[in-house]
Amino acid sequence: AQSVAQPEDQVNVAEGNPLTVKCTYSVSGNPYLFWYVQYPNRGLQFLLKYITGDNLVKGSYGFEAEFNKSQTSFHLKKPSALVSDSALYFCAVRYNFNKFYFGSGTKLNVKP
Amino acid sequence: DGGITQSPKYLFRKEGQNVTLSCEQNLNHDAMYWYRQDPGQGLRLIYYSQIVNDFQKGDIAEGYSVSREKKESFPLTVTSAQKNPTAFYLCASSNDRDPTNTGELFFGEGSRLTVL
Repeated sequence: AQSVAQPEDQVNVAEGNPLTVKCTYSVSGNPYLFWYVQYPNRGLQFLLKYITGDNLVKGSYGFEAEFNKSQTSFHLKKPSALVSDSALYFCAVRYNFNKFYFGSGTKLNVKP
Repeated sequence: DGGITQSPKYLFRKEGQNVTLSCEQNLNHDAMYWYRQDPGQGLRLIYYSQIVNDFQKGDIAEGYSVSREKKESFPLTVTSAQKNPTAFYLCASSNDRDPTNTGELFFGEGSRLTVL
């Protein structure tokens, strides 16, 4: 069965420090992995995706994600966090042609 | 600008009433989806449609109904049979003309339904 796990409900980081939001996956076949961000009472915004190729994927707003096949992980990273990065982050996997499975979300708090 | 429009943004319903949430897209996408979001949970798929006049149940379809009469529109009806309808509802679409089938979902701004 396809699944995505976000082991941390919440991540706290100080502004200017690097941040990591964790995601692990379980899929059969090639994994198509995505990260989305959601601000309160808003829809989800696409940040980046891994399809194939380089394990380090760069996306919007300075975010990047590292795909690690041996650890089945796809962690979201940013070298220097901003207060405005505070939001809810979702990892997702695409499977069965056009179905998506989402993790439970991680709330990122960036403190000034 | 291309995008997905959901309406209304906020909706209040009395128990026993059906309500319909609107979703319109001008991205020329074939596939459209409805998700439900509850606090502390990921998004759960209610229904999806790959083409006009065709749709499939997702993981939590009970108490919901949809139609897909036009490519641009995919309305969701929350019926009185849905026992716990208070939630945030998200409509999305994807470009399945992409032959690699690796495209991302595009989301609307959501509709928050509260049952009084």
